[in-house]
Amino acid sequence: GQQLNQSPQSMFIQEGEDVSMNCTSSSIFNTWLWYKQDPGEGPVLLIALYKAGELTSNGRLTAQFGITRKDSFLNISASIPSDVGIYFCFYAGNNRKLIWGLGTSLAVNP
Amino acid sequence: EAQVTQNPRYLITVTGKKLTVTCSQNMNHEYMSWYRQDPGLGLRQIYYSMNVEVTDKGDVPEGYKVSRKEKRNFPLILESPSPNQTSLYFCASSLVLWGTFGPLHFGNGTRLTVT
Repeated sequence: GQQLNQSPQSMFIQEGEDVSMNCTSSSIFNTWLWYKQDPGEGPVLLIALYKAGELTSNGRLTAQFGITRKDSFLNISASIPSDVGIYFCFYAGNNRKLIWGLGTSLAVNP
Repeated sequence: EAQVTQNPRYLITVTGKKLTVTCSQNMNHEYMSWYRQDPGLGLRQIYYSMNVEVTDKGDVPEGYKVSRKEKRNFPLILESPSPNQTSLYFCASSLVLWGTFGPLHFGNGTRLTVT
């Protein structure tokens, strides 16, 4: 099925650094959802975006719904070891099609 | 506590031996879905269900069956498992309002090994 283009594929950073990742699509989306998956666990919702241009924060996480409605960005400020995991962007369309990015794997060096 | 519960968490079986992975949600969600997760391939949808007695194939349905006899339960059935079905499986559910999906809620996963 269709997938979102998510980048980077993986990141290795030092604790305290800021992180930025993004998702792009060839189609216009009405919703962007960002999930995090801890090792051995199911994905958990971090942030939901419902409007073009929307900027939403959840603690040290900030996500933005691109103006073109074809992309979204997730930023993590001052990373800590528990930020380790895989971050997915996700879209749930009204046509029942659920589309996932392949994920950005984040490793944080203490 | 609102949750999606999968069982078992770990399962090792042999080729051809029928198995069922259970999934239950307590949020009265209409939509339920099964995914498998493999390295480099992300989450791929196996089957989904929009409501009781309504199921549809996802992207990788071959070798799997599902049923939705009750709203809360959505078991995944492997009639004759094969080694290429070794994977990490997730069940998920979502509220659907006027055709619009809410965020997916995931279970903690079932790691299946077929030898």
